[in-house]
Amino acid sequence: DAGITQSPRHKVTETGTPVTLRCHQTENHRYMYWYRQDPGHGLRLIHYSYGVKDTDKGEVSDGYSVSRSKTEDFLLTLESATSSQTSVYFCAITPAGKDEQYFGPGTRLTVT
Amino acid sequence: QQQVKQSPQSLIVQKGGISIINCAYENTAFDYFPWYQQFPGKGPALLIAIRPDVSEKKEGRFTISFNKSAKQFSLHIMDSQPGDSATYFCAASKGYGANNLFFGTGTRLTVIP
Repeated sequence: DAGITQSPRHKVTETGTPVTLRCHQTENHRYMYWYRQDPGHGLRLIHYSYGVKDTDKGEVSDGYSVSRSKTEDFLLTLESATSSQTSVYFCAITPAGKDEQYFGPGTRLTVT
Repeated sequence: QQQVKQSPQSLIVQKGGISIINCAYENTAFDYFPWYQQFPGKGPALLIAIRPDVSEKKEGRFTISFNKSAKQFSLHIMDSQPGDSATYFCAASKGYGANNLFFGTGTRLTVIP
């Protein structure tokens, strides 16, 4: 999983509660991404980061925020979780000078 | 709106046969086309990728065929094995380096012994 850890790996939460997912990498990669995976949609980019404190929106960013205060950690926050945010969330990185994206093991989030 | 269209949704192939998965795109700015393999409970793993300056790329039993004029690309798995049973995703992005990948909806491949 490209040296990426995601935590938690599974979470069940209630509608309206805040949730933070963590992506951690140990190889100083500059570029990091958050995707969500849903049946019938493949993977869709939520937010990405190109360095500490540098982030930008992807195609499905509504309802999500991110922060990157250290190179190794990229946090995804759902300020007030909704059932439509039930999904599997994947973090990815791109090594310097490369085109490829490598994915972490994922976090399965269920919002009841 | 799906930027990359993938078919078929599911595919069953006999062991030793050829598996073919097709993708099409509209955005002519796309110039990087990777394929990912995903097993249940795991993250997608990069399998093979191509840029439009070549029409074909082969790595072992996996081949990407690329048709720039038709805006289509496909994955061929030769001598398919039960261990190839997984979900396959095509994707596309534009530019070099780190960029937003647009994924197809996935093909669930089952290889029967």
